[in-house]
Amino acid sequence: GAVVSQHPSWVICKSGTSVKIECRSLDFQATTMFWYRQFPKQSLMLMATSNEGSKATYEQGVEKDKFLINHASLTLSTLTVTSAHPEDSSFYICSARPLAGESETQYFGPGTRLLVL
Amino acid sequence: GQNIDQPTEMTATEGAIVQINCTYQTSGFNGLFWYQQHAGEAPTFLSYNVLDGLEEKGRFSSFLSRSKGYSYLLLKELQMKDSASYLCAVMDSNYQLIWGAGTKLIIKP
Repeated sequence: GAVVSQHPSWVICKSGTSVKIECRSLDFQATTMFWYRQFPKQSLMLMATSNEGSKATYEQGVEKDKFLINHASLTLSTLTVTSAHPEDSSFYICSARPLAGESETQYFGPGTRLLVL
Repeated sequence: GQNIDQPTEMTATEGAIVQINCTYQTSGFNGLFWYQQHAGEAPTFLSYNVLDGLEEKGRFSSFLSRSKGYSYLLLKELQMKDSASYLCAVMDSNYQLIWGAGTKLIIKP
């Protein structure tokens, strides 16, 4: 149980284009989903926390107009990198936490590698 | 500020036992997690401790002392596939995960 999927797993795009990444909890409902970014040989960096039906909470230094997050249902959150640039190339990972009261554990998706040319 | 400390890198021998330590200073505490992350992959959940003591799960055990702000992950009967980074993370009073930088574990035959 507790499987989280991400799509796509790999994206290569031209500078200036927008990229949408989907995160789905497959066998549980998640009130909260998290988006992380990880640069090579560095730790995970939390970008934003999203709760179903409400606006995402962004970490300091993360541009909310550039990284659009939508959490439309209890099983789906999307991250859109708008007008991507080469410095946005990174490993983007989502995680999901089951409904409150069940567990505080976050379960991670497999990640999405973004390469902006 | 909030801080999680763990060694950067450790080396151990196949079949042996290794202990990875984690110390933390956070604003509040709602549990400590250990995750395993293989190179190029997302983290996978290993353990969650919220009460003091030892939690055993197969070859892996995790210990927590809240008064000391200390945890360790114990890996027994090491296998080559255990070569990975091990991430310690603490959930603070706002239920946010504070991540350590990870410990890269190298297993030698």
